[in-house]
Amino acid sequence: GQNIDQPTEMTATEGAIVQINCTYQTSGFNGLFWYQQHAGEAPTFLSYNVLDGLEEKGRFSSFLSRSKGYSYLLLKELQMKDSASYLCAVPSPGGYNKLIFGAGTRLAVHP
Amino acid sequence: DARVTQTPRDKVTEMGQEVTMRCQPILGHNTVFWYRQTMMQGLELLAYFRNRAPLDDSGMPKDRFSAEMPDATLATLKIQPSEPRDSAVYFCASADASAGTGELFFGEGSRLTVL
Repeated sequence: GQNIDQPTEMTATEGAIVQINCTYQTSGFNGLFWYQQHAGEAPTFLSYNVLDGLEEKGRFSSFLSRSKGYSYLLLKELQMKDSASYLCAVPSPGGYNKLIFGAGTRLAVHP
Repeated sequence: DARVTQTPRDKVTEMGQEVTMRCQPILGHNTVFWYRQTMMQGLELLAYFRNRAPLDDSGMPKDRFSAEMPDATLATLKIQPSEPRDSAVYFCASADASAGTGELFFGEGSRLTVL
């Protein structure tokens, strides 16, 4: 089965950089996803990593190490609107689109 | 603007009543998911369809929950009878299995409160 661990909550200051970590255990690896979810809204796709290394997309970057079962989401130049939950997810073995989500990390950005 | 549409957005009902939630996936997407989200459990996968066929409903309490796709534009999740512990936000998501990214597109969710 899958096991996904993320910190429950983080706080950061506007303009700063924050790194949200995710460790996972899965019997078959088909990539790792990060989703953003604002309070009361639907999760939205942020990134997908299937190879080791850093994928940069504007202010957000995502890193993957398959050998360590580890990923992080890096948010730069934090803005108040980045206050949200960040969900790490991996596909279930045998179900490419069937995502299993971590509990999420609630990020609060303060002025 | 392609998006997943869910109804109702909010539903308050009494214990024992039947609840039906509906989802219209993005046109052309062949994979549909039902997730439930609570503060305690996070996002849990309830059921999963591909090309309208149920592939996995192991996350769903079988005695009271049922999920169907009567056609490619409609997925339903029914709870009968509903219980207070079913109170949660129910999300429908769709995906194009041939797209290669595995990305899911979520609807806005149906917030269910069972009194």
